[in-house]
Amino acid sequence: EADIYQTPRYLVIGTGKKITLECSQTMGHDKMYWYQQDPGMELHLIHYSYGVNSTEKGDLSSESTVSRIRTEHFPLTLESARPSHTSQYLCASSEGGTQYNEQFFGPGTRLTVL
Amino acid sequence: KNQVEQSPQSLIILEGKNCTLQCNYTVSPFSNLRWYKQDTGRGPVSLTIMTFSENTKSNGRYTATLDADTKQSSLHITASQLSDSASYICVVSDRGSTLGRLYFGRGTQLTVWP
Repeated sequence: EADIYQTPRYLVIGTGKKITLECSQTMGHDKMYWYQQDPGMELHLIHYSYGVNSTEKGDLSSESTVSRIRTEHFPLTLESARPSHTSQYLCASSEGGTQYNEQFFGPGTRLTVL
Repeated sequence: KNQVEQSPQSLIILEGKNCTLQCNYTVSPFSNLRWYKQDTGRGPVSLTIMTFSENTKSNGRYTATLDADTKQSSLHITASQLSDSASYICVVSDRGSTLGRLYFGRGTQLTVWP
């Protein structure tokens, strides 16, 4: 099992709250990713990072923001949560180099905004 | 537009039976194709990876095939077990980016009954 962790695993909050989803990996991977997944649907890339101080937006527009101050840590923040943000959020990491490198996924955070 | 289509959407089989899941893709230029297993409430875990030159890859009771000419792949599960109940996701990577951008199918939800 990959050494990539996400907290919390489940979160239920009210509209307008600020939240941060944590993601940490102990594999020393340069690349990290955030995906959003709704039930029965494909994963959509919302943010990625090539390394420290690198962050990029993914294919799916998201109101969330990310930071990469340390190699092992890639938190995602929502300044003001809304019901439309209800979804599962998956963090992943991979070694730098080529597109052959496997992405290892965390267990996910299931977010519900009331 | 790069796409990955999977069929069937869901499948129910009895324990001990075999099954085959299908994946068609239009991703170009093609780099590699992975099959992931995603248990409910967990992140995806890689089962197999195949590059352009490979047409079959096995991992225990899982055997994946790839026809790069017709852009089709299949995942065959032999002697199914209850623990095989999960979503099986076909993921294709293109050769056009160093990010290792992944294109995800929506998955086939497999249920194995005793």
